[in-house]
Amino acid sequence: GQQVMQIPQYQHVQEGEDFTTYCNSSTTLSNIQWYKQRPGGHPVFLIQLVKSGEVKKQKRLTFQFGEAKKNSSLHITATQTTDVGTYFCAGDSGAGSYQLTFGKGTKLSVIP
Amino acid sequence: NAGVTQTPKFRVLKTGQSMTLLCAQDMNHEYMYWYRQDPGMGLRLIHYSVGEGTTAKGEVPDGYNVSRLKKQNFLLGLESAAPSQTSVYFCASSWDLVGSEQFFGPGTRLTVL
Repeated sequence: GQQVMQIPQYQHVQEGEDFTTYCNSSTTLSNIQWYKQRPGGHPVFLIQLVKSGEVKKQKRLTFQFGEAKKNSSLHITATQTTDVGTYFCAGDSGAGSYQLTFGKGTKLSVIP
Repeated sequence: NAGVTQTPKFRVLKTGQSMTLLCAQDMNHEYMYWYRQDPGMGLRLIHYSVGEGTTAKGEVPDGYNVSRLKKQNFLLGLESAAPSQTSVYFCASSWDLVGSEQFFGPGTRLTVL
């Protein structure tokens, strides 16, 4: 079945440093979504990428979808303590798959 | 609007006991999902529903049953709880199956002793 791998599993950064998490799928995706889960909270949708090579920005967050639609990345510039949490990618292979496959997430800690 | 709500928030069961987790959404979404989240495992889909009266198996359906008698509600049942079912359970809903953001509930933390 479809597998979505996410690295790194953990990342500790000093406040103000940049952060990147990578997502790789074993199959071509029709779209990819990113979610953020704060400690003790529930996943919250951040963004969806659909087109090959697509790049989207949300303030300090930059999301990319690979040309082959098998990988994606989330980059945070100048991290803040409010960025703390676990970031998940979730891929949809389309073709009537009816379900998102989530990566295991990257847990980000920001040291003030 | 409350969005997606889940009851209960916490529950402790003994092995072999049964229980039902309730999920409710007030966004008129057709599609609803049950996930479990274990440390280091991400979110894994248990069952999902594409509409009232329909359900389907996800990635890890064994030991669970679901029902969608009303559009706004999606119930997850454990007939005979096992320690391996200790987890945090999230319900979610969406407008569409493909390419649609999922709205998650606050979760239920279940411990099976």
